[in-house]
Amino acid sequence: GESVGLHLPTLSVQEGDNSIINCAYSNSASDYFIWYKQESGKGPQFIIDIRSNMDKRQGQRVTVLLNKTVKHLSLQIAATQPGDSAIYFCATGSARQLTFGSGTQLTVLP
Amino acid sequence: DAGVIQSPRHEVTEMGQEVTLRCKPISGHDYLFWYRQTMMRGLELLIYFNNNVPIDDSGMPEDRFSAKMPNASFSTLKIQPSEPRDSAVYFCASSFLAGAYNEQFFGPGTRLTVL
Repeated sequence: GESVGLHLPTLSVQEGDNSIINCAYSNSASDYFIWYKQESGKGPQFIIDIRSNMDKRQGQRVTVLLNKTVKHLSLQIAATQPGDSAIYFCATGSARQLTFGSGTQLTVLP
Repeated sequence: DAGVIQSPRHEVTEMGQEVTLRCKPISGHDYLFWYRQTMMRGLELLIYFNNNVPIDDSGMPEDRFSAKMPNASFSTLKIQPSEPRDSAVYFCASSFLAGAYNEQFFGPGTRLTVL
């Protein structure tokens, strides 16, 4: 069945450094990929998405990279700030369904 | 818009009691989703509705769980009887369209503790 997993359950970075959060997925039929951010006590919030016909997409301080060959997705956060501390989920899907990964806790150190 | 509204934010109950979680989706959104989040299993889709009609309830754990959407602005998730293993954070989300291509907006969640 479908599984979406994360390489590292926790990640600590110094404020100002870049962060990289990784995600592996198993369903080769997935054609849409999303990163969500979940702050403590809140629901997940959309950050950035990418379709399978792309391998890179940039937003404000965030970049998502997609490697369909190895079914790997990553989220890069530039100049990490204290407000970036949260759990980050990758989600994969198609027109009908979205499957969430288990999440990575990002902690930004002062 | 106030976003997706859930109540209560926290619920503590004893095993065997009935629990009802409530959700008000964003106005104009035709899709409503119920998720459960635990450390062990992450975020799991329980059920989703389209125009108040349940479309896929394959994620509902067992018959103790039921969900309704009597109108476009209100949905409930009921657990009867509740068990300690039901302890989790339950999220409601809504979207304008279905599927992965359309952003789901999540509520703040209800943290359920069953003693």
